[in-house]
Amino acid sequence: DTEVTQTPKHLVMGMTNKKSLKCEQHMGHRAMYWYKQKAKKPPELMFVYSYEKLSINESVPSRFSPECPNSSLLNLHLHALQPEDSALYLCASSQDRNSGNTIYFGEGSWLTVV
Amino acid sequence: AQSVTQPDIHITVSEGASLELRCNYSYGATPYLFWYVQSPGQGLQLLLKYFSGDTLVQGIKGFEAEFKRSQSSFNLRKPSVHWSDAAEYFCAVGARGSSYKLIFGSGTRLLVRP
Repeated sequence: DTEVTQTPKHLVMGMTNKKSLKCEQHMGHRAMYWYKQKAKKPPELMFVYSYEKLSINESVPSRFSPECPNSSLLNLHLHALQPEDSALYLCASSQDRNSGNTIYFGEGSWLTVV
Repeated sequence: AQSVTQPDIHITVSEGASLELRCNYSYGATPYLFWYVQSPGQGLQLLLKYFSGDTLVQGIKGFEAEFKRSQSSFNLRKPSVHWSDAAEYFCAVGARGSSYKLIFGSGTRLLVRP
């Protein structure tokens, strides 16, 4: 079962709201990722977690705050977002952060900031 | 620096015709190469991957790709396209570093003519 589950599928939030995106995988993977994808663009890496520790932060603004409560879960906390943050947010996972592992993606969460 | 180029933004083929999507990469070592497909409003699904060995790799949905080191290419092919193949296709290289991540090409949108 190569499944990464993301909730919610759609989220509309105001610029002063606080919300969270959630991601879950039960493949025993120890690396998890957040990607951001704008319309008609490829996904861009935001964060990498390895063994529940933040491994990479691609200079993402602090209004995005990732959290990895355990090896199966990955959250992305959102606060004081801007309309330009509206995008598809993709969670992904792989066996570990070492080279050569296949990265599996979820269906994504569509975020609209109003 | 690692990079991936997909020279075709759009490709239109007739249903039943053959398909080739181009991908060129720039990478200093032996690359890990992937093709993902994204249907409208969906996440990314892995079609196939190349890590080592046989340079012709078979994937799901009847797709195959050939790794050509001399041309730094990893083109995706399908002998007979179905209407359901209409989607965005992304080529990606697995970049090695402090953590493993994917670098995507800009994508090719495939349109299928009835």
